[in-house]
Amino acid sequence: KQEVTQIPAALSVPEGENLVLNCSFTDSAIYNLQWFRQDPGKGLTSLLLIQSSQREQTSGRLNASLDKSSGRSTLYIAASQPGDSATYLCAVKWTNTGANSKLTFGKGITLSVRP
Amino acid sequence: KAGVTQTPRYLIKTRGQQVTLSCSPISGHRSVSWYQQTPGQGLQFLFEYFSETQRNKGNFPGRFSGRQFSNSRSEMNVSTLELGDSALYLCASSFLAQDNEQFFGPGTRLTVL
Repeated sequence: KQEVTQIPAALSVPEGENLVLNCSFTDSAIYNLQWFRQDPGKGLTSLLLIQSSQREQTSGRLNASLDKSSGRSTLYIAASQPGDSATYLCAVKWTNTGANSKLTFGKGITLSVRP
Repeated sequence: KAGVTQTPRYLIKTRGQQVTLSCSPISGHRSVSWYQQTPGQGLQFLFEYFSETQRNKGNFPGRFSGRQFSNSRSEMNVSTLELGDSALYLCASSFLAQDNEQFFGPGTRLTVL
């Protein structure tokens, strides 16, 4: 079964800390992987998209890496700020889903950055 | 460029009723997907439409249905509502179905009493 796992479910860090959020997936035959941010009661904001052929993507203080062979992706947040507090979700599109957009999501990691 | 819009933002219904939710994708996007988000199950795929055709469907009962219009706007319908249908319903759009970034709307919060 194709599954995405994010552990731990919650994380609390002091402001300024560099942190890594983990995402693991059970099938290495992925098409792409996308990281999202969700604020309470809101929709999802796309942070980074990594295609299967890529190893990493960067946007500002965010860096996402992809290791298909180990079934892992990490989201690195540099110099965390209280405004980074949100739930971070990892989503995978597998190659066997064909020409469609179906994403399989992890349960998310709720991040709290303490001032 | 306007983002994905969903209407209404909030809905309260009673068991047995039916509901229709609407999603307008980003201009030029032809793929629209729907997801249900609940605290227990997380985000689960409902279905995807591309050029007015349903391309994929998740594991939901037939009470959940959808359609897409020629302007790419999409609607989903839930008939005979149950308490367990209370959730945040999210719509996502992308330019092409396969390798493009997906953009989500703000969601419709459905409460079934």
